Amino acid sequence: AQSVAQPEDQVNVAEGNPLTVKCTYSVSGNPYLFWYVQYPNRGLQFLLKYITGDNLVKGSYGFEAEFNKSQTSFHLKKPSALVSDSALYFCAVRDESGTYKYIFGTGTRLKVLA
Amino acid sequence: DTEVTQTPKHLVMGMTNKKSLKCEQHMGHRAMYWYKQKAKKPPELMFVYSYEKLSINESVPSRFSPECPNSSLLNLHLHALQPEDSALYLCASSQEYPTDTQYFGPGTRLTVL
Repeated sequence: AQSVAQPEDQVNVAEGNPLTVKCTYSVSGNPYLFWYVQYPNRGLQFLLKYITGDNLVKGSYGFEAEFNKSQTSFHLKKPSALVSDSALYFCAVRDESGTYKYIFGTGTRLKVLA
Repeated sequence: DTEVTQTPKHLVMGMTNKKSLKCEQHMGHRAMYWYKQKAKKPPELMFVYSYEKLSINESVPSRFSPECPNSSLLNLHLHALQPEDSALYLCASSQEYPTDTQYFGPGTRLTVL
C-alpha cells in the first residue's frame, strides 16, 4: 500500500538553528514526493518536490529536502530557522497504484522559538 | 504566477441553505481539484476535474455537487449540508492530471449551523 508518515506531531527549534522535519514513504516504483507548508487558516503553499535526479532538492524560502532511497525518507531541512517558518508542514507522495492522487502525511507543526 | 483564488473566504450557512464555492486559476492548468480539510488534519481529496470533465469522485455525498464551467473555473455547489461538513475547503490546480505539482488556493472556511 502507498503511504507516507510524518513521525513527529511537533518540532521545536530555536531561531537560527538548523531544522529538520521528517518524512518516510512507501510506494511501488519511483516516488513523486512533495513538501507543502500551511500557515493558519490558509491554503497549502508548495515548497519543493522530488521526481528524479539529484537527491538534494532545493525549494522555496531556503528550504531543501534530501531524498534517501535506501531509507525511504524525504526529510525537509533548513540551515537556519526563522520565527516566520513556524507553520504546519505536510509531506505528500503521489499514489502510483492507479489514481495518482496525493497521499498526505498527518502533518508536523514546526515551532521556531525566538 | 502560481495563483489560485477562492471566494468567499468565509461562509456560514444553515442546513437548509444552498450556497456555492468558487475557484479560479489563470495559469492555463487543465486539472482542478476540491479538497476538504478539518482542523489540524491533512487535506482529503473530494473531486478531480481534467479537461473540464469529472475524473475522480472520492465517494463524496451528493449534497456536494461540483461543476467545471470552463478550464479556469471550478464551483462547488452545497445543499442540505450537515454540521460535520464544517471545514476548510481547498481548491487546487495542476498542469495536467495526473501530473506532479498541485497549487492550492487559500481556501473557504465553511461553517454549517
